[in-house]
Amino acid sequence: DQQVKQNSPSLSVQEGRISILNCDYTNSMFDYFLWYKKYPAEGPTFLISISSIKDKNEDGRFTVFLNKSAKHLSLHIVPSQPGDSAVYFCAASAGNNNDMRFGAGTRLTVKP
Amino acid sequence: DTEVTQTPKHLVMGMTNKKSLKCEQHMGHRAMYWYKQKAKKPPELMFVYSYEKLSINESVPSRFSPECPNSSLLNLHLHALQPEDSALYLCASSPGGRVRYNEQFFGPGTRLTVL
Repeated sequence: DQQVKQNSPSLSVQEGRISILNCDYTNSMFDYFLWYKKYPAEGPTFLISISSIKDKNEDGRFTVFLNKSAKHLSLHIVPSQPGDSAVYFCAASAGNNNDMRFGAGTRLTVKP
Repeated sequence: DTEVTQTPKHLVMGMTNKKSLKCEQHMGHRAMYWYKQKAKKPPELMFVYSYEKLSINESVPSRFSPECPNSSLLNLHLHALQPEDSALYLCASSPGGRVRYNEQFFGPGTRLTVL
């Protein structure tokens, strides 16, 4: 049962433009959401998070938006850079972050 | 030291072998995790140790046996594995404790192949 879904396995964007990565979830108990970035041969690294009491969190070029009624979140990267090319995982947890569920990931390619 | 290390990076084993995966962190984190990740799939949680006690076991077969000798170390003992257990095994840690929301720091993983 895939509780966190990333329906786009890949995304290609031109350098300098906006990248939008999407994530949907089914468990209404999830109250904390995270984005991780993964380069080949490395473990996922934490990027940005948002709790369910907010609908937006911004950190430099990265902004995460949360739409609780639609059970949808998105990660915006502006402007996109070639170094952003990686696999991005959406993750969610309910109350206790010890049990975190991941989406399948979206491979972002930023072309120079 | 702000990283999680895992050894070995690659492991090839037969179905009758016994081997162990090791994970180490020196960030003072009190929660440690094992995940399994198959190709093009999300990481799947296997075990969670909180304050060196097993707090979550996601119905993992007994051929996988976790061990947390101290707050910095986490082992995963492997015995009589099947070829379908071939995957990337990720270790992670997080501060734990009373911090409700704390991000997990991942190691680079061990690529396991079972022949």
